[in-house]
Amino acid sequence: DAKTTQPPSMDCAEGRAANLPCNHSTISGNEYVYWYRQIHSQGPQYIIHGLKNNETNEMASLIITEDRKSSTLILPHATLRDTAVYYCIVLGSSNTGKLIFGQGTTLQVKP
Amino acid sequence: EAGVAQSPRYKIIEKRQSVAFWCNPISGHATLYWYQQILGQGPKLLIQFQNNGVVDDSQLPKDRFSAERLKGVDSTLKIQPAKLEDSAVYLCASSLDVTRPAPLKKETQYFGPGTRLLVL
Repeated sequence: DAKTTQPPSMDCAEGRAANLPCNHSTISGNEYVYWYRQIHSQGPQYIIHGLKNNETNEMASLIITEDRKSSTLILPHATLRDTAVYYCIVLGSSNTGKLIFGQGTTLQVKP
Repeated sequence: EAGVAQSPRYKIIEKRQSVAFWCNPISGHATLYWYQQILGQGPKLLIQFQNNGVVDDSQLPKDRFSAERLKGVDSTLKIQPAKLEDSAVYLCASSLDVTRPAPLKKETQYFGPGTRLLVL
Protein backbone atom coordinates (compact mmCIF):
# COMPACT_ATOMS: atom_id res chain seq x y z
CA ASP A 1 0.00 0.00 0.00
CA ALA A 2 1.21 3.49 -0.86
CA LYS A 3 2.63 5.70 1.84
CA THR A 4 0.96 9.03 2.69
CA THR A 5 2.36 12.35 3.87
CA GLN A 6 0.33 14.84 5.90
CA PRO A 7 1.22 18.07 7.71
CA PRO A 8 1.51 17.42 11.45
CA SER A 9 -0.86 20.17 12.48
CA MET A 10 -3.28 22.79 11.19
CA ASP A 11 -5.52 25.47 12.65
CA CYS A 12 -8.91 26.55 11.39
CA ALA A 13 -11.37 29.20 12.51
CA GLU A 14 -14.78 27.98 13.59
CA GLY A 15 -17.31 28.27 10.77
CA ARG A 16 -14.66 28.35 8.06
CA ALA A 17 -13.74 25.54 5.72
CA ALA A 18 -10.93 23.24 6.83
CA ASN A 19 -8.82 21.89 3.97
CA LEU A 20 -6.58 19.01 4.97
CA PRO A 21 -4.03 17.91 2.37
CA CYS A 22 -2.56 14.49 1.83
CA ASN A 23 0.22 13.43 -0.50
CA HIS A 24 0.22 9.87 -1.87
CA SER A 25 2.53 10.16 -4.87
CA THR A 26 3.17 6.40 -5.14
CA ILE A 27 -0.51 5.42 -5.24
CA SER A 28 -1.40 2.79 -7.82
CA GLY A 29 -4.51 2.52 -9.94
CA ASN A 30 -6.47 0.12 -7.73
CA GLU A 31 -5.76 1.83 -4.43
CA TYR A 32 -8.39 3.80 -2.56
CA VAL A 33 -7.87 6.91 -0.45
CA TYR A 34 -9.54 6.71 2.96
CA TRP A 35 -9.93 9.36 5.64
CA TYR A 36 -10.53 8.64 9.31
CA ARG A 37 -10.44 10.98 12.26
CA GLN A 38 -9.85 10.43 15.96
CA ILE A 39 -11.32 12.76 18.51
CA HIS A 40 -9.50 12.82 21.83
CA SER A 41 -10.12 9.69 23.95
CA GLN A 42 -12.27 8.06 21.27
CA GLY A 43 -11.66 5.39 18.65
CA PRO A 44 -11.06 6.44 15.03
CA GLN A 45 -14.14 7.30 12.99
CA TYR A 46 -14.56 6.76 9.26
CA ILE A 47 -15.14 9.97 7.28
CA ILE A 48 -15.01 9.26 3.57
CA HIS A 49 -13.17 7.34 0.85
CA GLY A 50 -12.63 7.59 -2.90
CA LEU A 51 -10.86 6.06 -5.86
CA LYS A 52 -10.78 8.57 -8.71
CA ASN A 53 -13.80 10.84 -8.54
CA ASN A 54 -14.47 13.49 -5.98
CA GLU A 55 -16.78 12.33 -3.22
CA THR A 56 -19.12 14.11 -0.83
CA ASN A 57 -21.12 12.93 2.12
CA GLU A 58 -22.78 14.50 5.13
CA MET A 59 -19.46 14.88 6.91
CA ALA A 60 -17.01 16.07 4.30
CA SER A 61 -15.85 16.28 0.70
CA LEU A 62 -12.87 14.49 -0.79
CA ILE A 63 -11.09 16.04 -3.73
CA ILE A 64 -8.61 13.76 -5.53
CA THR A 65 -6.28 15.27 -8.12
CA GLU A 66 -6.46 13.96 -11.66
CA ASP A 67 -3.11 12.19 -11.35
CA ARG A 68 -4.28 10.81 -7.97
CA LYS A 69 -0.99 11.75 -6.33
CA SER A 70 -2.67 13.93 -3.74
CA SER A 71 -6.04 14.61 -2.18
CA THR A 72 -7.74 17.14 0.07
CA LEU A 73 -10.33 16.52 2.72
CA ILE A 74 -12.69 19.45 3.10
CA LEU A 75 -14.82 20.12 6.16
CA PRO A 76 -17.04 22.88 4.78
CA HIS A 77 -18.00 24.59 8.06
CA ALA A 78 -15.65 23.48 10.81
CA THR A 79 -16.97 23.40 14.37
CA LEU A 80 -15.13 22.99 17.66
CA ARG A 81 -16.24 19.34 17.66
CA ASP A 82 -14.16 18.77 14.51
CA THR A 83 -10.96 19.22 16.52
CA ALA A 84 -9.25 15.85 16.06
CA VAL A 85 -6.40 13.96 14.45
CA TYR A 86 -7.18 13.28 10.78
CA TYR A 87 -5.61 10.26 9.09
CA CYS A 88 -5.25 9.80 5.34
CA ILE A 89 -4.77 6.12 4.44
CA VAL A 90 -4.29 4.35 1.13
CA LEU A 91 -5.77 0.86 0.74
CA GLY A 92 -5.17 -1.50 -2.14
CA SER A 93 -7.81 -3.84 -3.55
CA SER A 94 -5.66 -6.79 -2.54
CA ASN A 95 -5.37 -5.49 1.00
CA THR A 96 -7.13 -7.47 3.70
CA GLY A 97 -8.65 -4.28 5.01
CA LYS A 98 -5.84 -3.58 7.45
CA LEU A 99 -5.49 0.17 8.09
CA ILE A 100 -1.93 1.48 8.33
CA PHE A 101 -2.10 4.72 10.28
CA GLY A 102 0.59 7.38 10.01
CA GLN A 103 0.95 10.32 12.34
CA GLY A 104 -2.01 12.16 10.83
CA THR A 105 -2.81 15.88 10.97
CA THR A 106 -3.94 17.40 14.24
CA LEU A 107 -6.64 19.90 13.35
CA GLN A 108 -7.38 22.54 15.96
CA VAL A 109 -10.60 24.46 15.34
CA LYS A 110 -10.51 27.76 17.17
CA PRO A 111 -13.44 29.97 18.18
CA GLU B 1 -27.50 0.31 15.65
CA ALA B 2 -25.24 -0.51 18.58
CA GLY B 3 -21.56 0.19 18.05
CA VAL B 4 -18.49 -1.84 18.94
CA ALA B 5 -18.38 -2.49 22.66
CA GLN B 6 -15.18 -2.89 24.66
CA SER B 7 -14.45 -3.55 28.29
CA PRO B 8 -12.94 -2.60 30.57
CA ARG B 9 -12.42 1.02 29.62
CA TYR B 10 -9.43 1.42 31.90
CA LYS B 11 -7.02 -1.01 33.51
CA ILE B 12 -3.98 -0.49 35.71
CA ILE B 13 -1.72 -3.46 36.42
CA GLU B 14 1.82 -4.10 37.52
CA LYS B 15 4.43 -5.48 35.17
CA ARG B 16 4.47 -9.26 34.86
CA GLN B 17 0.75 -9.46 35.64
CA SER B 18 -1.78 -10.66 33.09
CA VAL B 19 -4.71 -8.76 31.64
CA ALA B 20 -7.54 -9.48 29.25
CA PHE B 21 -9.67 -7.22 27.10
CA TRP B 22 -13.06 -8.02 25.63
CA CYS B 23 -14.67 -6.83 22.41
CA ASN B 24 -18.16 -7.27 21.05
CA PRO B 25 -18.35 -6.19 17.39
CA ILE B 26 -21.34 -4.80 15.54
CA SER B 27 -23.90 -7.52 14.93
CA GLY B 28 -23.31 -9.32 11.64
CA HIS B 29 -19.76 -8.07 11.15
CA ALA B 30 -17.51 -10.91 10.04
CA THR B 31 -14.19 -9.10 10.29
CA LEU B 32 -12.70 -8.05 13.62
CA TYR B 33 -9.47 -6.17 14.31
CA TRP B 34 -7.40 -5.42 17.38
CA TYR B 35 -5.15 -2.35 17.23
CA GLN B 36 -2.60 -1.02 19.72
CA GLN B 37 -2.21 2.75 20.01
CA ILE B 38 0.76 4.07 21.95
CA LEU B 39 0.49 7.65 23.13
CA GLY B 40 1.24 10.11 20.34
CA GLN B 41 1.14 7.50 17.58
CA GLY B 42 -1.46 6.17 15.17
CA PRO B 43 -3.07 2.79 15.86
CA LYS B 44 -1.13 -0.30 14.80
CA LEU B 45 -2.84 -3.54 13.83
CA LEU B 46 -2.13 -6.46 16.14
CA ILE B 47 -4.45 -9.12 14.75
CA GLN B 48 -7.31 -9.48 12.26
CA PHE B 49 -10.01 -12.17 12.32
CA GLN B 50 -12.37 -13.23 9.56
CA ASN B 51 -15.18 -14.99 11.44
CA ASN B 52 -13.21 -17.21 13.84
CA GLY B 53 -10.09 -17.54 11.68
CA VAL B 54 -6.94 -15.43 11.85
CA VAL B 55 -6.21 -13.41 8.70
CA ASP B 56 -3.18 -11.43 9.90
CA ASP B 57 -1.27 -11.65 13.16
CA SER B 58 2.13 -10.64 11.82
CA GLN B 59 2.46 -7.73 14.28
CA LEU B 60 1.24 -9.63 17.35
CA PRO B 61 4.03 -10.29 19.92
CA LYS B 62 3.11 -13.92 20.25
CA ASP B 63 5.39 -14.59 23.20
CA ARG B 64 3.07 -12.54 25.41
CA PHE B 65 -0.04 -11.60 23.45
CA SER B 66 -2.85 -13.94 22.46
CA ALA B 67 -6.28 -13.41 20.98
CA GLU B 68 -9.24 -15.55 20.17
CA ARG B 69 -12.64 -15.30 18.56
CA LEU B 70 -13.99 -18.76 19.21
CA LYS B 71 -17.57 -18.40 17.96
CA GLY B 72 -16.85 -15.77 15.35
CA VAL B 73 -18.51 -13.01 17.36
CA ASP B 74 -16.91 -11.73 20.60
CA SER B 75 -13.15 -11.60 20.94
CA THR B 76 -10.66 -11.42 23.77
CA LEU B 77 -7.10 -10.13 23.71
CA LYS B 78 -4.77 -11.24 26.47
CA ILE B 79 -1.34 -10.08 27.59
CA GLN B 80 0.70 -12.38 29.79
CA PRO B 81 3.03 -11.24 31.27
CA ALA B 82 2.66 -7.49 30.73
CA LYS B 83 5.63 -5.19 30.22
CA LEU B 84 5.91 -1.47 30.79
CA GLU B 85 5.94 -0.85 27.03
CA ASP B 86 2.49 -2.45 26.71
CA SER B 87 0.97 0.70 28.18
CA ALA B 88 -1.32 1.87 25.40
CA VAL B 89 -4.92 2.07 24.24
CA TYR B 90 -6.20 -1.19 22.77
CA LEU B 91 -8.80 -0.59 20.10
CA CYS B 92 -11.19 -3.11 18.64
CA ALA B 93 -12.80 -2.54 15.25
CA SER B 94 -15.15 -4.49 13.04
CA SER B 95 -16.31 -4.42 9.44
CA LEU B 96 -18.91 -6.29 7.43
CA ASP B 97 -16.73 -8.62 5.40
CA VAL B 98 -13.50 -7.68 3.67
CA THR B 99 -13.60 -10.85 1.55
CA ARG B 100 -16.50 -9.59 -0.51
CA PRO B 101 -15.49 -8.77 -4.09
CA ALA B 102 -14.58 -5.26 -5.14
CA PRO B 103 -16.13 -2.67 -5.29
CA LEU B 104 -17.91 -3.97 -2.21
CA LYS B 105 -14.63 -5.09 -0.72
CA LYS B 106 -13.56 -1.84 0.80
CA GLU B 107 -15.57 -1.98 3.94
CA THR B 108 -15.64 0.75 6.53
CA GLN B 109 -14.15 -0.17 9.90
CA TYR B 110 -16.07 0.82 13.00
CA PHE B 111 -14.02 1.32 16.14
CA GLY B 112 -14.88 0.86 19.76
CA PRO B 113 -13.91 3.38 22.46
CA GLY B 114 -10.79 1.42 23.39
CA THR B 115 -9.30 0.10 26.61
CA ARG B 116 -6.62 2.26 28.18
CA LEU B 117 -3.95 0.08 29.81
CA LEU B 118 -1.33 1.39 32.19
CA VAL B 119 1.44 -1.00 33.24
CA LEU B 120 3.37 0.10 36.35
